Amino acid sequence: EPEVTQTPSHQVTQMGQEVILHCVPISNHLYFYWYRQILGQKVEFLVSFYNNEISEKSEIFDDQFSVERPDGSNFTLKIRSTKLEDSAMYFCASRGLVEGTEAFFGQGTRLTVV
Amino acid sequence: GQQLNQSPQSMFIQEGEDVSMNCTSSSIFNTWLWYKQDPGEGPVLLIALYKAGELTSNGRLTAQFGITRKDSFLNISASIPSDVGIYFCAGSGNTGKLIFGQGTTLQVKP
Repeated sequence: EPEVTQTPSHQVTQMGQEVILHCVPISNHLYFYWYRQILGQKVEFLVSFYNNEISEKSEIFDDQFSVERPDGSNFTLKIRSTKLEDSAMYFCASRGLVEGTEAFFGQGTRLTVV
Repeated sequence: GQQLNQSPQSMFIQEGEDVSMNCTSSSIFNTWLWYKQDPGEGPVLLIALYKAGELTSNGRLTAQFGITRKDSFLNISASIPSDVGIYFCAGSGNTGKLIFGQGTTLQVKP
């Protein structure tokens, strides 16, 4: 069964460093999303991406964040200068174009900023 | 912004018991979804609801999309130990963006 794949599963980085989280969405999907979940809290929407551009973003997704689809398969989230409060699980999700198909989530990347 | 209120926050039940949890919103959603999350894993879709009033089952799970489009409930019948986890409701509008509830942590005592 097709699945969303995220790498790495765990990333530890020093405050102020740049990190790039990687996702390979399901191959025929066209909508891509990043969500984050701070430990013990709910899942929060960060950004949606369609047709090679951001379609919507939340207040959390400030200038420190960016997304890119560098080729036909990868979808990345970059945090330019990490802060302690960026520590969270980051989930990538993808969705097909057909109405009624819902988003499938990857296993997540646990980002720890020290 | 849009928010979902999910309750209860946690439940500790005996194996075999039925479980009910619900979500309410001040906003209308086009789609209601229920996900389950195991520790260290991503959310896994359990049930998707697309029409107001819709009642859908998936095995021992039953969920309904409220008539007002502002609420949904999830029932689990005859709970088993592997039902343990965190259950999230999520609402979706036209953009496909998901707004999640705070989650219900379910523990099942064998």
